Amino acid sequence: AQKITQTQPGMFVQEKEAVTLDCTYDTSDQSYGLFWYKQPSSGEMIFLIYQGSYDEQNATEGRYSLNFQKARKSANLVISASQLGDSAMYFCAMREANTDKLIFGTGTRLQVFP
Amino acid sequence: DAGITQSPRHKVTETGTPVTLRCHQTENHRYMYWYRQDPGHGLRLIHYSYGVKDTDKGEVSDGYSVSRSKTEDFLLTLESATSSQTSVYFCAISDEQETQYFGPGTRLLVL
Repeated sequence: AQKITQTQPGMFVQEKEAVTLDCTYDTSDQSYGLFWYKQPSSGEMIFLIYQGSYDEQNATEGRYSLNFQKARKSANLVISASQLGDSAMYFCAMREANTDKLIFGTGTRLQVFP
Repeated sequence: DAGITQSPRHKVTETGTPVTLRCHQTENHRYMYWYRQDPGHGLRLIHYSYGVKDTDKGEVSDGYSVSRSKTEDFLLTLESATSSQTSVYFCAISDEQETQYFGPGTRLLVL
């Protein structure tokens, strides 16, 4: 069965430092998509970044980059130059092949301190 | 921001009563989804729709039904609410094989 695992329930990082949030996935499909969402304390789910399984380059969006290691089935989110506003829950998700359904991990709570 | 609204945003109800949550979009996207979010579980798919009157079950569909009579509206109904359905409910929209965008969520408390 397809599965997303986020092993870090919580992470701390100092402002302006970089932080990596881990995500591993399990699938036997060749075609899939990987997503990261941010959920601040206000509760909304905000899309951050997407990586397709056939994309050769790691995805980047501003301060966010996705460290995609296909052989290891990992899709870690890297946030560079952390800001206080980055404090939130972060969810990794995978889209199953040939469907539009997402499977989510249990999330990592990131706290950025001054 | 994707044009997605959910109503109500908060609801308190009693066990055994029916509850309907509404998701409305202004993006004309084909796909709409209902998820629930519970501590320790992330988001789990309840039902989804791939067109008007076309719906299918997700991972945790027991106790829920959905309807989609118009492209812009996707309704989630709890026929007889139970305390285990206390949760935060999110609607999402997408086009085929595209990113899903989420609504603001509905907090439901079943007493």
